[in-house]
Amino acid sequence: DAGITQSPRHKVTETGTPVTLRCHQTENHRYMYWYRQDPGHGLRLIHYSYGVKDTDKGEVSDGYSVSRSKTEDFLLTLESATSSQTSVYFCAISEQQGVAGYTFGSGTRLTVV
Amino acid sequence: QKEVEQNSGPLSVPEGAIASLNCTYSDRGSQSFFWYRQYSGKSPELIMFIYSNGDKEDGRFTAQLNKASQYVSLLIRDSQPSDSATYLCAVIVDDKIIFGKGTRLHILP
Repeated sequence: DAGITQSPRHKVTETGTPVTLRCHQTENHRYMYWYRQDPGHGLRLIHYSYGVKDTDKGEVSDGYSVSRSKTEDFLLTLESATSSQTSVYFCAISEQQGVAGYTFGSGTRLTVV
Repeated sequence: QKEVEQNSGPLSVPEGAIASLNCTYSDRGSQSFFWYRQYSGKSPELIMFIYSNGDKEDGRFTAQLNKASQYVSLLIRDSQPSDSATYLCAVIVDDKIIFGKGTRLHILP
């Protein structure tokens, strides 16, 4: 998917455990985004990054944190997973903010039991 | 809350006909508009973008934008079974993309 990979592809975890999802890009794009996609809600922005160590909250950021220590990696952490965080998580990258469309990774299907 | 609205469908269209997908948005200041296609179990794929009022054509796809009416549409000519997917309308709001919930399109062979 255009130089963007997400890991793991699937994960099952227990309520209350921490979980980290990884997004890695080889496009050297400045902007990176984490979305979750749920039936009836569509794609919702969790957090985004506009550079190394520069991040900001999106629409549904509660219970999530992110870090970006290198241009190519954007990590999403669920501090204490809950069943409501069962979802498909997509990472996206963009070369420009506010103009260009995004390229998405293949997604991570997370199930919290 | 700035929103992007789409009919969830499913929209059923016979093979070879024109499929028409519609989207409205609430932020009058939006300048950039996108259509994504998402197959079941896959990630969204950008298929069209449009910035100016009027029509933009790319192969069998035509995007139409009417900023005065805050309306974006996607026409798919000569619909094929491979066009069966969910189509997401997306709009840039405050420098970030906001997505509609998508319209499921089913092309009938």
